[in-house]
Amino acid sequence: GAVVSQHPSWVICKSGTSVKIECRSLDFQATTMFWYRQFPKQSLMLMATSNEGSKATYEQGVEKDKFLINHASLTLSTLTVTSAHPEDSSFYICSASPAGSQETQYFGPGTRLLVL
Amino acid sequence: AQTVTQSQPEMSVQEAETVTLSCTYDTSESDYYLFWYKQPPSRQMILVIRQEAYKQQNATENRFSVNFQKAAKSFSLKISDSQLGDAAMYFCAYNTNAGKSTFGDGTTLTVKP
Repeated sequence: GAVVSQHPSWVICKSGTSVKIECRSLDFQATTMFWYRQFPKQSLMLMATSNEGSKATYEQGVEKDKFLINHASLTLSTLTVTSAHPEDSSFYICSASPAGSQETQYFGPGTRLLVL
Repeated sequence: AQTVTQSQPEMSVQEAETVTLSCTYDTSESDYYLFWYKQPPSRQMILVIRQEAYKQQNATENRFSVNFQKAAKSFSLKISDSQLGDAAMYFCAYNTNAGKSTFGDGTTLTVKP
């Protein structure tokens, strides 16, 4: 089956530093990848949609300069949390859709971010 | 805009029994997809079952089946012979060919031994 990996699985950083999270589709090409944020016992909140080779589309209320997304290849998208603050602490999940199957999403295992 | 509603924040079931999780949605589209995802304590999202709106036949995957009522915009999940490993948060989701999913708020399922 389709596998999506995320790295790191968890990260602790100091306030003011930047953190990069990688999302890779391991056995398929993903024209579209999605980034979500999830608070405990809540649903997934879509942050942005990234398409390979083009700028990401951000959801309303998500700061583009704060959450930088790059989708440089058909198997890799990255989310960089810039100048992280404690309120950015959360669980971040990526998903990827295979080319020609836009309605299907395969999810990564998530990254737990704690900003001190 | 599409919305997905899960009216049961929490459900519990006795091991080996059957439980049904509810989901309703609102859309003006005629062609779309519906999904149930499971999120166990590990927080990995796992696809349980999917249904294409154009198919009248309800999808089934082993112990998991759906009751898809297109006119009523209802998409419930039935888990038969519940197992301890079924304990998780379950999310109902809607999608179209555009790719962006809309998720419900989730239902936490507890399985009692």
